[in-house]
Amino acid sequence: DADVTQTPRNRITKTGKRIMLECSQTKGHDRMYWYRQDPGLGLRLIYYSFDVKDINKGEISDGYSVSRQAQAKFSLSLESAIPNQTALYFCATSDLDSDNEQFFGPGTRLTVL
Amino acid sequence: AQTVTQSQPEMSVQEAETVTLSCTYDTSESDYYLFWYKQPPSRQMILVIRQEAYKQQNATENRFSVNFQKAAKSFSLKISDSQLGDAAMYFCAYRSAYSGTYKYIFGTGTRLKVLA
Repeated sequence: DADVTQTPRNRITKTGKRIMLECSQTKGHDRMYWYRQDPGLGLRLIYYSFDVKDINKGEISDGYSVSRQAQAKFSLSLESAIPNQTALYFCATSDLDSDNEQFFGPGTRLTVL
Repeated sequence: AQTVTQSQPEMSVQEAETVTLSCTYDTSESDYYLFWYKQPPSRQMILVIRQEAYKQQNATENRFSVNFQKAAKSFSLKISDSQLGDAAMYFCAYRSAYSGTYKYIFGTGTRLKVLA
C-alpha cells in the first residue's frame, strides 16, 4: 500500500463549486504540505502543517484553505473554484527528526471549467 | 530569499549515452540540502539523489551522480547509460538545514527525452 495517498486522482469541476482534495499518510510523519504544479512553474507551496494545531500559509495560499484533521490527514479546499486553479496538486510529508526528504502522494489532476 | 533555477526546459539523450541536467541556486546560507526528483508520466515524484551541503563528496546512486559546486552554487545531475525508463521531468530542489525552516524550493523542471 502507498504511504501517501490522495483522493480523488482526477477531478473535473465547474467554476464556483467548492471542492476538497484529501491526503492521508501512513508514514507517521508530523509535517504535511500541499503543492500545486503548473507547466513551466515547477511546484509551488500552498500550505504546510507541522502538527495538528499548526497551519501555515505558503507562497500561493489565496483561494485555498486547509484542515489538519489528524496527524495522518491533511485536506485542501477550494471554496469557490476558478479556472486558473486548474493544476496538478500534490500532498507531501516529511519527518520532524530527519527532515531532509519529502515523500509525495500520487497527485490530483484538477480541472476547473 | 532562496531561488532554484533550471535553465534547460527540455533535453534529449540517446539510449545508453550520458546526459547532464543543470541546476543553479542562490542562497546566503551555508548549510542546506539539495535534491533531484524524477517525475515520470505516472506523475509520482520520486527522489533520485540528495546532497548535503557540508559534504564535499559528490553523491552517487547507481547510474545517477551529481556535480556539486558549492562556491558556484551549482548542482548538476549526470545520468549515465541512459535508459528509456529515465524519460521524465526532473526537478531540482533546495532545503535549508536550519531547524524550524520548512521550505523546499523547487526549480521549474527539465523534461528529459530518451531516444531509442
